[in-house]
Amino acid sequence: EAGVAQSPRYKIIEKRQSVAFWCNPISGHATLYWYQQILGQGPKLLIQFQNNGVVDDSQLPKDRFSAERLKGVDSTLKIQPAKLEDSAVYLCASSGQGTYGYTFGSGTRLTVV
Amino acid sequence: DQQVKQNSPSLSVQEGRISILNCDYTNSMFDYFLWYKKYPAEGPTFLISISSIKDKNEDGRFTVFLNKSAKHLSLHIVPSQPGDSAVYFCAASLYNQGGKLIFGQGTELSVKP
Repeated sequence: EAGVAQSPRYKIIEKRQSVAFWCNPISGHATLYWYQQILGQGPKLLIQFQNNGVVDDSQLPKDRFSAERLKGVDSTLKIQPAKLEDSAVYLCASSGQGTYGYTFGSGTRLTVV
Repeated sequence: DQQVKQNSPSLSVQEGRISILNCDYTNSMFDYFLWYKKYPAEGPTFLISISSIKDKNEDGRFTVFLNKSAKHLSLHIVPSQPGDSAVYFCAASLYNQGGKLIFGQGTELSVKP
């Protein structure tokens, strides 16, 4: 089966600019996650979708981050405006019904300068 | 609030020897534990898991041990191979939180020929 697709792979922006990331999960996976991984740390959950509804966004900085999942399939994560501390790898993952563990995409490496 | 901790940022072992990666957790309600492996510029990939009702799970060269009383788990790789060189993340899940995974900081394993 095809894996989780993410784009772009790399992005460099200046602080205060905006940026968007795209994710296409594994076909049929109802649950989609966005994680932020800062260098030297483990991935941290930003938001979790079940189909097109939000399950958990408690750690999403809502003043600058937003996410949506269109029709319960693809998802976009946006940052506006970006700060230097947003430099990280943004990982998208998906999981099937009733399963533990996810399949991750390759991530988008964001550098804010 | 670091609920899952990997206190060793790096580990170096000789090819053919045993690699032991450790992980500690604080929440006794975690019901499932997973290990992920991550190569540079790739997303984490699932390696092995263990339910909280078990104390050992084995898959080929990989064995995970769980000590619930000590809130500690470990991943054993025997024999270690150069291709095992990667960052290993421990993760824990609370089933009633919809499959959300909480990750440790990771341990970078280097297996030298």
